[in-house]
Amino acid sequence: AQKVTQAQTEISVVEKEDVTLDCVYETRDTTYYLFWYKQPPSGELVFLIRRNSFDEQNEISGRYSWNFQKSTSSFNFTITASQVVDSAVYFCACDYKLSFGAGTTVTVRA
Amino acid sequence: EAQVTQNPRYLITVTGKKLTVTCSQNMNHEYMSWYRQDPGLGLRQIYYSMNVEVTDKGDVPEGYKVSRKEKRNFPLILESPSPNQTSLYFCASSPTARGHTIYFGEGSWLTVV
Repeated sequence: AQKVTQAQTEISVVEKEDVTLDCVYETRDTTYYLFWYKQPPSGELVFLIRRNSFDEQNEISGRYSWNFQKSTSSFNFTITASQVVDSAVYFCACDYKLSFGAGTTVTVRA
Repeated sequence: EAQVTQNPRYLITVTGKKLTVTCSQNMNHEYMSWYRQDPGLGLRQIYYSMNVEVTDKGDVPEGYKVSRKEKRNFPLILESPSPNQTSLYFCASSPTARGHTIYFGEGSWLTVV
């Protein structure tokens, strides 16, 4: 059974809109790491971010930002001012058994 | 260049014909694993290895075998492939099992007819 839930299967937006991807995880560990990966149409898996469970400070990197809330076991990801090149499948993962969510397909239309 | 290399990248095979997908990493990582990716199911772990000669089942090990005789190599063996093993396979490695970025190979598209 998966320990990471990405409830959104597909999201479609128009360029320049913001996109928020939800991720809820389940773990018995007190110390753990969370990840986001991007899979563009070419198929490779691209690492985006790693966050440990002790660091709840939210992070912004360019157009990407992450919102980690330990109290709700969520690690959401936002793309600001989306671009066509952001079209991809995005995976959230937890290093408790290295579990991945099912992925959210983001389509950005010009 | 640090990388995880899988071969073959693309393969069409027939039911029952044994095949091996090789995986090699040049980063001296202890941890290696295999995933399969299917539509709507994300990445599911098949087998993992914490170090040489140490392997364990992941979530979907049925129909697969692995071995870890050397640190750098972690081949995935399908003894008798079946059509339900048609999938995209990823090999991954990491310095250890916890707390490190996972490095993925480019993926192997396998079709069993």
